[in-house]
Amino acid sequence: DAGVTQSPTHLIKTRGQQVTLRCSPKSGHDTVSWYQQALGQGPQFIFQYYEEEERQRGNFPDRFSGHQFPNYSSELNVNALLLGDSALYLCASSLSGGAGVEQFFGPGTRLTVL
Amino acid sequence: EDQVTQSPEALRLQEGESSSLNCSYTVSGLRGLFWYRQDPGKGPEFLFTLYSAGEEKEKERLKATLTKKESFLHITAPKPEDSATYLCAVQARGYQKVTFGIGTKLQVIP
Repeated sequence: DAGVTQSPTHLIKTRGQQVTLRCSPKSGHDTVSWYQQALGQGPQFIFQYYEEEERQRGNFPDRFSGHQFPNYSSELNVNALLLGDSALYLCASSLSGGAGVEQFFGPGTRLTVL
Repeated sequence: EDQVTQSPEALRLQEGESSSLNCSYTVSGLRGLFWYRQDPGKGPEFLFTLYSAGEEKEKERLKATLTKKESFLHITAPKPEDSATYLCAVQARGYQKVTFGIGTKLQVIP
């Protein structure tokens, strides 16, 4: 049973560029959340997608956008990259509904903005 | 706004020396409190979910407990392979957002 997968593993971009990160959820999961983790910090919630719609958003600017496809996979897009966007971007999948829902994380994409 | 504070930020133990990690939280109606383990450069690995005060869960050398304001992760007779950063997170009822602490970096010395 494949867990959460993310691509690419590493990415180097320059300021002002745009980037797209991809995530495939764990088999059977229908919900995808994206997090940004700066060095030495805990993950920060960006947004969550369910049924191809953004269900909730954290305190991130509109430069951060996403998409969920019918097969539940998801993309995170970041426009007009800033140096401060350098971080580990984590995707987590879960099964919607019920009590506190466990999220399973992928290995992350390390984004470096120069 | 939900808040999670973890202490200590770093902990160094001798192999076999038991200890506890603390997670203090404020949330407007707890839906779930989560513990994760994270190895360097990797995604967090799920350990436990706790739902209500008084609940306890165990897995190998780890035991998580929950009160109305705190959670503890007890590590009994740790081994070097338990070295990692342990993250605590909370989710409020009616919301999807999960709020994480900055973690406790545990190092177990042989």
